[in-house]
Amino acid sequence: EIVMTQSPATLSVSPGGRATLSCRASQSLSINNLAWYQQRPGQAPRLLIYGASARAPGIPGRFSGSGSGTDFTLTIGSLQSEDFAVYYCLQYNSWPRTFGQGTKVEIK
Amino acid sequence: QVQLQQWGTGLLKPSETVSLTCAVYGASFSQYYWTWIRQPPGKGLEWIGDTDFRGRTYYNPSLKSRLTISVDTSKNQFSLRLTSATAADTALYFCARSKDCSSTICSDAYDLWGQGTLVTVSS
Repeated sequence: EIVMTQSPATLSVSPGGRATLSCRASQSLSINNLAWYQQRPGQAPRLLIYGASARAPGIPGRFSGSGSGTDFTLTIGSLQSEDFAVYYCLQYNSWPRTFGQGTKVEIK
Repeated sequence: QVQLQQWGTGLLKPSETVSLTCAVYGASFSQYYWTWIRQPPGKGLEWIGDTDFRGRTYYNPSLKSRLTISVDTSKNQFSLRLTSATAADTALYFCARSKDCSSTICSDAYDLWGQGTLVTVSS
């Protein structure tokens, strides 16, 4: 089983600021099937990034993903009010699928 | 437009069985895997398991002994049964679309989710 570790657990950012979230896999993903999700309270997760770096349809350009192998990053440039939420990574390269524990992006 | 609509028992007692169903509208049922994911209150997301239209399944090892995911291709539906429920199974359960991505980058895996069903296990 691939263990996904996200850091930090909480990130305090000012509106308009930049957020950098990390997700590390315990084993290298042979194919970069790594997704990032945003979850607001009371809602289902929303796919932001797939394949480590491709934006899902309708996702604003301020969201970008990068990385390969074991280290992946989600960057949110110029944070808007609606971006303050919890973010999860998911590896779907192999079964069992595994999520990171989440990073909460809060208003500084 | 693809939609996933889910339903099931919301309140059950310890030792009873969690039973949920998800109906798929507007998507080719046979081209995808179909998945269950859950989220305990105030906690993170946990993958439960995937099934394809033939009934080929992959399960979370921690739940495998209590878990059955099945399909009904005549209705484009798939279901979850989790036996011997405890308070630890209290969660918001989601169904979602997935795929076998072992040989290629997938753009349409875990992209569409149901609305979620809250399951509470309490005596």
